[in-house]
Amino acid sequence: EVQLVESGGGLVKPGGSLRLSCSASGFTFSNYNMNWVRQAPGKGLEWVSSISSSSSYIYYADSLKGRFTTSRDNAKNSLYLQMNSLRAEDTAVYYCARGPDDSNNYYPCYWGQGTLVTVSS
Amino acid sequence: SYELTQPPSVSVSPGQTARITCSGDALPNKYAYWYQQKSGQAPVLVIYEDSKRPSGIPERFSGSSSGTMATLTISGAQVEDEAEYYCYSTDSSGNQRVFGTGTKVTVL
Repeated sequence: EVQLVESGGGLVKPGGSLRLSCSASGFTFSNYNMNWVRQAPGKGLEWVSSISSSSSYIYYADSLKGRFTTSRDNAKNSLYLQMNSLRAEDTAVYYCARGPDDSNNYYPCYWGQGTLVTVSS
Repeated sequence: SYELTQPPSVSVSPGQTARITCSGDALPNKYAYWYQQKSGQAPVLVIYEDSKRPSGIPERFSGSSSGTMATLTISGAQVEDEAEYYCYSTDSSGNQRVFGTGTKVTVL
C-alpha cells in the first residue's frame, strides 16, 4: 500500500524558514516523480513543485519566486521542501503526492494527508 | 500565468447527470486530469489523460476534452459524490502545472 507521510509543519514567524519532509513507503520511491501541492485554508489546490525520480528535473510555481527548494533522498525514501522568507500567504496545508507509473509524467496519483504550515507573528 | 477556469458550483439531483467544465488555452495540446476532494480529506484522482479512469473509481465518472475545454461527467450522481472537484493540467511549455479554480458539486 502506498503511504506518504508529511511532517515538519507548524507555526513560524514571517520571514522565517521551515523544512517539510515526506516519508514514502509501499513502493520503490526512486522510480517515481514526486510533487508538492498546497491548499490555503478554505481555498483551492495550488501546485508548488515537482521533482523527477533522479532529481534531474525540478519545477516550481512561478509565484514562489525562488523562495522554495525541493529535494529528495532516494536512499531514505524521502522528499523535502525547504521554505524560506515565509509570508502570511504561505499559510496552507502542504501535501506530498506521488506521480504515476509512467516516468514521463508528474500528475499526482497518490496523496499524503498533509501537514499544516502557519505563518504568523 | 496560466489559468484553468471552472464554474464555482454545480447542483444536481440524485440520479441525474452533473457536468463540470474546465477551460484553458493549452488544453487542445495538453491532457486534463480531475481530482475529487471531500471535506477534510486529501484529493483523489478520478480521471487522468482526459478520459481514463483509475482502478477503483466508479464507472459513473467519465471525462472528455475538446478544444480549450475539458469536461468531467458524473452520470447518475450519488449523494456520496458531493465534493469539490479540481481539474489539473500544464501550460504550453509543460513546465508549469496548474489546478483549476475548483467546482463545488452538491447532490440534493
